[in-house]
Amino acid sequence: QAHLVEFGGGVVQPGKSLTLSCAASGFIFSDYNMHWVRQAPGRGLEWVALISYDGHNSFYADSVKGRFSISRDNPNNTVFLQMNSLRPEDTAEYFCAKEYVAGTVAFEYWGQGALVTVSS
Amino acid sequence: DIQMTQSPSSLSASVGDRVTITCQASLDISDYLNWYQHKSGQAPKLLIYDASTLETGVPSRFSGRGSATDFTFTISSLQPEDIATYYCQQYESLPYTFGQGTKLEIK
Repeated sequence: QAHLVEFGGGVVQPGKSLTLSCAASGFIFSDYNMHWVRQAPGRGLEWVALISYDGHNSFYADSVKGRFSISRDNPNNTVFLQMNSLRPEDTAEYFCAKEYVAGTVAFEYWGQGALVTVSS
Repeated sequence: DIQMTQSPSSLSASVGDRVTITCQASLDISDYLNWYQHKSGQAPKLLIYDASTLETGVPSRFSGRGSATDFTFTISSLQPEDIATYYCQQYESLPYTFGQGTKLEIK
C-alpha cells in the first residue's frame, strides 16, 4: 500500500519562498510519475505540477509556471515543490499524488496535504 | 486548456436514492476521465478511472460512463458515508483539469 506524507507547509509572506517535500513509501518510487495538486480555501482541486519518473521532464500549470519548480530524489523516495515569489492566491492545501500507471494519468494515492498560507 | 463543467454544484439526496453527476468537457477527451471523492479533512480518493473502470476496493454502487465530451457518475443507492465532494478530472492534455466539484449532502 502506497503512503505519501507532505512536509514543509506554513505561513510565509508574499514574495517569499517555501519548499514542500513529500516522502513516499510502499511502492517503487522511481517507477512512477508524481504530481502536486492544490486546493485553495473554499475552492476546488487544481493540478499544479508533474515530474516524470526519472526526473527528466516536468510540467506546470500556467498559474505557477516560472515561479514553482518540481524535483525528485529517487534514492530517498522524495518529491519536492519549490515555491518562489509566493502570492496570496497561492494559499492552499498542497497534496502530492502518485500517478496510477503509465498511460493513465489518474491520481491513485494522495498525501494528507500541507497547508501553505501566504500572508503579510 | 480543456474546461470541465460539472453539474450540479451541490446536491441533497436521501439514503437509498440514485444520484447522478454530470461532467462535460470543452473538447473531445475520449475516455481520459477520472472521478474522485473528497471528504473534508481527508485526502481525495480515486473512484473511477478511464471514464468507467472502478478502482480496486471501491464499492460497486459507484459507476461511471461516457466518452468524448459527456460523462456521468452515478451512485446507485446513496449511503451516509458517501457524503463528500466529487470531482471529475481530464487527462487528455496538459494542463490536467478538474471540474468545479459537486458537494453531496444527505437530505
